[in-house]
Amino acid sequence: NAGVTQTPKFRVLKTGQSMTLLCAQDMNHEYMYWYRQDPGMGLRLIHYSVGEGTTAKGEVPDGYNVSRLKKQNFLLGLESAAPSQTSVYFCASSPTSGIYNEQFFGPGTRLTVL
Amino acid sequence: KQEVTQIPAALSVPEGENLVLNCSFTDSAIYNLQWFRQDPGKGLTSLLLIQSSQREQTSGRLNASLDKSSGRSTLYIAASQPGDSATYLCAVPRLGGGGADGLTFGKGTHLIIQP
Repeated sequence: NAGVTQTPKFRVLKTGQSMTLLCAQDMNHEYMYWYRQDPGMGLRLIHYSVGEGTTAKGEVPDGYNVSRLKKQNFLLGLESAAPSQTSVYFCASSPTSGIYNEQFFGPGTRLTVL
Repeated sequence: KQEVTQIPAALSVPEGENLVLNCSFTDSAIYNLQWFRQDPGKGLTSLLLIQSSQREQTSGRLNASLDKSSGRSTLYIAASQPGDSATYLCAVPRLGGGGADGLTFGKGTHLIIQP
């Protein structure tokens, strides 16, 4: 199993450009998450999904959109990138194991917005 | 709002020492707590998931404990090795419960083991 994979690994955008980050998992997990990690701030939840076709806002959702059209994929979109969105983005997934939801993370995407 | 604090922020010790990393959280209505390891420029690796009913969980030289009533968890690393050098992160369910709504993370303890 590849686990959780993220595409691309690195990206540089100019302010105002758009892009989509792809997360894929091959563990048949029901739940998927997008976090961002910034120096001094730790990891913060952007959006999440508890199943195919469902999405919900996390702690810092502004400026991002997400879609979960297939169970194994979770897409994070930036419609008009801003320098404040320069960050490392991590995707995670978790099985529906009742009340104990262990999360497994991808390797991250490092995004720079100029 | 759940808040997670990790102490110390950084730690440097000689190889072979036993050490303790601390994590505290404000909302004790959680069913589990997860410890992660992050190497520079890499993703997060899950080390241990402690269920609230377990109070302790062990994996090799790692032992994690959870005391919900006091809002604390500790990660004990025995006989530390240079390969243990990394940032260790503690995370709890963001909105309580089991974490289906995501996790709240501490800022981590940056650990250096000197050869």
